Amino acid sequence: EAGVTQFPSHSVIEKGQTVTLRCDPISGHDNLYWYRRVMGKEIKFLLHFVKESKQDESGMPNNRFLAERTGGTYSTLKVQPAELEDSGVYFCASRLGGSPTDTQYFGPGTRLTVL
Amino acid sequence: EDQVTQSPEALRLQEGESSSLNCSYTVSGLRGLFWYRQDPGKGPEFLFTLYSAGEEKEKERLKATLTKKESFLHITAPKPEDSATYLCAVYNYGQNFVFGPGTRLSVLP
Repeated sequence: EAGVTQFPSHSVIEKGQTVTLRCDPISGHDNLYWYRRVMGKEIKFLLHFVKESKQDESGMPNNRFLAERTGGTYSTLKVQPAELEDSGVYFCASRLGGSPTDTQYFGPGTRLTVL
Repeated sequence: EDQVTQSPEALRLQEGESSSLNCSYTVSGLRGLFWYRQDPGKGPEFLFTLYSAGEEKEKERLKATLTKKESFLHITAPKPEDSATYLCAVYNYGQNFVFGPGTRLSVLP
């Protein structure tokens, strides 16, 4: 069974440009999470989808970030316009269902560098 | 606000030298405490979930324990392949996952 995949693995963009990150969860997993780790700090929650609906987006830093999950399958996270402080590693995780404490499976992450 | 701290920040062990990693948390209404392992360039890999004080779980050379204020990850007779960053996270009622900064473990042959 394929795990969570993320694309691209690395992205280097100029400040002010737009970047779109993609996450493909494990097939059949209704729950999808986005996290990020900036400047060597701890991983922080961004948002949580249940199928195509945003269950919780309280961790989104500002309105330059837009997450979508059309059709309840893959998800995209768009940053527009990117700022220097957006640099970091963006992780996606998926969970089958049931309890929030059930296992989340993480993807390898996308390393975003904003110059 | 929920907080998770981990100590030590980094730990170097000789192969076979057992030790423990600490995760301290302040959270009201803990629903679960999680341990993950993360290798360089990869995402966190799930190890354990602990739900209540007194609970213990084991997997190979790892054993996780939980009290009302902290969790320990005990590593018995570690091998070089146990080298990784170990992350602790908590989940609280009405909140979302809060991660600690991690402990970087190096096991030398």
